[in-house]
Amino acid sequence: DTGVSQDPRHKITKRGQNVTFRCDPISEHNRLYWYRQTLGQGPEFLTYFQNEAQLEKSRLLSDRFSAERPKGSFSTLEIQRTEQGDSAMYLCASLQAYNEQFFGPGTRLTVL
Amino acid sequence: AQSVTQPDIHITVSEGASLELRCNYSYGATPYLFWYVQSPGQGLQLLLKYFSGDTLVQGIKGFEAEFKRSQSSFNLRKPSVHWSDAAEYFCAGKNNNDMRFGAGTRLTVKP
Repeated sequence: DTGVSQDPRHKITKRGQNVTFRCDPISEHNRLYWYRQTLGQGPEFLTYFQNEAQLEKSRLLSDRFSAERPKGSFSTLEIQRTEQGDSAMYLCASLQAYNEQFFGPGTRLTVL
Repeated sequence: AQSVTQPDIHITVSEGASLELRCNYSYGATPYLFWYVQSPGQGLQLLLKYFSGDTLVQGIKGFEAEFKRSQSSFNLRKPSVHWSDAAEYFCAGKNNNDMRFGAGTRLTVKP
């Protein structure tokens, strides 16, 4: 257990539905990252926050994706109008300054 | 473009044998380098990291890695593999806030 938690661990949804995932980072970590990992690949960067500010977004993050970190603590990642191509593991990681990232267990999304 | 490459998709070793997993990076400047391990359905656990200094880095679970600037490599090694080491291993490089992962190497351990 790294201290980073994610909820839910698994989500099965039908195409076109909206889903929301939550990440609770290590409390003193001011940076929070979201990644997507598909089968047989390494994690790909989606976006990151420093405190409550979203500082960078990957071009992988289409306009159907939105992420928030309203109070600089937990973060949510919402996917609207899900597509089968969104099926993946969504990983959250947190870190303090320039130290290593601590990863949560991930949320596995299956879009039917 | 910045990238991390793991040339081996899948490696099989016998329990007790030595292990070396390869990692090459392509960055303008030397990035921070990491090795992570991922068990099925789980998140990533940090094995070790290199920021600067001694090029031979010791990590958890008996793993070590050697940074070689001339070869742009950061290979992971373990002298004697245990069955519990079977997992997916990811090498990663970080430059500023840009973290790139290799595609991973799946390790199978034979009894």
